[in-house]
Amino acid sequence: EDKVVQSPLSLVVHEGDTVTLNCSYEVTNFRSLLWYKQEKKAPTFLFMLTSSGIEKKSGRLSSILDKKELFSILNITATQTGDSAIYLCAVQFAGGTSYGKLTFGQGTILTVHP
Amino acid sequence: DAGITQSPRHKVTETGTPVTLRCHQTENHRYMYWYRQDPGHGLRLIHYSYGVKDTDKGEVSDGYSVSRSKTEDFLLTLESATSSQTSVYFCAIRESVLGTNEQYFGPGTRLTVT
Repeated sequence: EDKVVQSPLSLVVHEGDTVTLNCSYEVTNFRSLLWYKQEKKAPTFLFMLTSSGIEKKSGRLSSILDKKELFSILNITATQTGDSAIYLCAVQFAGGTSYGKLTFGQGTILTVHP
Repeated sequence: DAGITQSPRHKVTETGTPVTLRCHQTENHRYMYWYRQDPGHGLRLIHYSYGVKDTDKGEVSDGYSVSRSKTEDFLLTLESATSSQTSVYFCAIRESVLGTNEQYFGPGTRLTVT
């Protein structure tokens, strides 16, 4: 059975801290791994990772994929209260009949206190 | 903005009534998806479409049907709503014009079945 597991499920930090969110997966026909940020509305796209060891970076956020150990991490440095959100990890399937559908982890709820 | 709208945005209905949710996109993307989001479960795929009149089931399809008679619209129908279908429903499209395969979400529909 395909599964995506995120840890921790929730995390409380103070502004300025650095956080690392984890996502491990066991799926057949892996194509890519995606990270989303969800505040009180729809998930917004952060990163798509397809190759091992290549870091993707956007401001204070960065992410990397390890296809040998089947996991990804999302790092947020110098956290701000605006980073408070649910962070979702999802795996996209390859193959002709999968049509790019996603399987999501449970999400990590990040709370950043001033 | 991926040009995705959902309607209605909020709906309260009674058990046993039929409900149809609409997803509309303006970007001419081939692939569209319906997910539901419940606490502790992340997002789960209900149905997806890989073209006009081409649809398939996701992991939680029981009690739901879909139709796609034109590229821009993907309808999700609950034939006879049950309380277990109270959830937030998200439509998504997979970016296929630029070939990046990223998925973007609509604003969501909050459905309450009483």
